[in-house]
Amino acid sequence: GAVVSQHPSWVICKSGTSVKIECRSLDFQATTMFWYRQFPKQSLMLMATSNEGSKATYEQGVEKDKFLINHASLTLSTLTVTSAHPEDSSFYICSARDWGGRAGGAKQYFGPGTRLTVT
Amino acid sequence: AQKITQTQPGMFVQEKEAVTLDCTYDTSDQSYGLFWYKQPSSGEMIFLIYQGSYDEQNATEGRYSLNFQKARKSANLVISASQLGDSAMYFCAMREGPADSWGKLQFGAGTQVVVTP
Repeated sequence: GAVVSQHPSWVICKSGTSVKIECRSLDFQATTMFWYRQFPKQSLMLMATSNEGSKATYEQGVEKDKFLINHASLTLSTLTVTSAHPEDSSFYICSARDWGGRAGGAKQYFGPGTRLTVT
Repeated sequence: AQKITQTQPGMFVQEKEAVTLDCTYDTSDQSYGLFWYKQPSSGEMIFLIYQGSYDEQNATEGRYSLNFQKARKSANLVISASQLGDSAMYFCAMREGPADSWGKLQFGAGTQVVVTP
C-alpha cells in the first residue's frame, strides 16, 4: 500500500529556534497533503491543507506565519515551526491523498508522526 | 460545533469477543465520507475502513465492519473476534463533500480500547 514518511520522527529544540518537518509520499504523487497536530490524549486537529505549487490553506486559529508550509513537489511537503515555544510541543502528523485509489481517492495515508519537544 | 462525536472515552473488551465503537456525525452535505482509524501507542494512524454516504452496503474489511445508519447519522465500528493487538485508540473521522474534493478530515475525540486476555 501507499506509504507516507516523516522526518524526523522526534526532535527536541530550544525555545526560539525553528524546526522543519518533512512529509514525503513514497510511492505515489500527492497533490494535496494535510498537517495535523495532536496533543497528548487528544484527537487530531487539522492545521492546514498543503497544495503542490500553491499557498497552503490554514484552519481558523492557526498562525500561518508561525507554521510555514511549503509543498514544492508532488512528493514533499514541509512544515516549519518558527520561533518555537514550549506550547508548540506536540505530535505533528501529515497525511496525503492518493488520487489513484478507488472512489476518487477516498483513502488518506498518514505519516508516522513527528514528536516535537520545545525546551 | 462538534462534527464527530465519540461518546465512549475508553472500553475494555475480552479477547475473542466483538466490540462496537460508537460514532455519530453532523453534516448538511449530501456527499461525505466516513473513516475509522486505529492509533496504537506508536502514534501512527492506521486506516481501517471507509464508508461513502452513497454506499448502499455497509463497508467491511476483514474483522472490521461499519454499521452505517444514515438517517441516524451514525457510523459505528464493529471489531469481531478481538485480538490483543487491537488495543489502541480508535478515531472516527468525516470528510465533507464528494470523494474528489480536497478531503480534509475532521476527527472525533477517540475511544481507547484495551483488549484483555
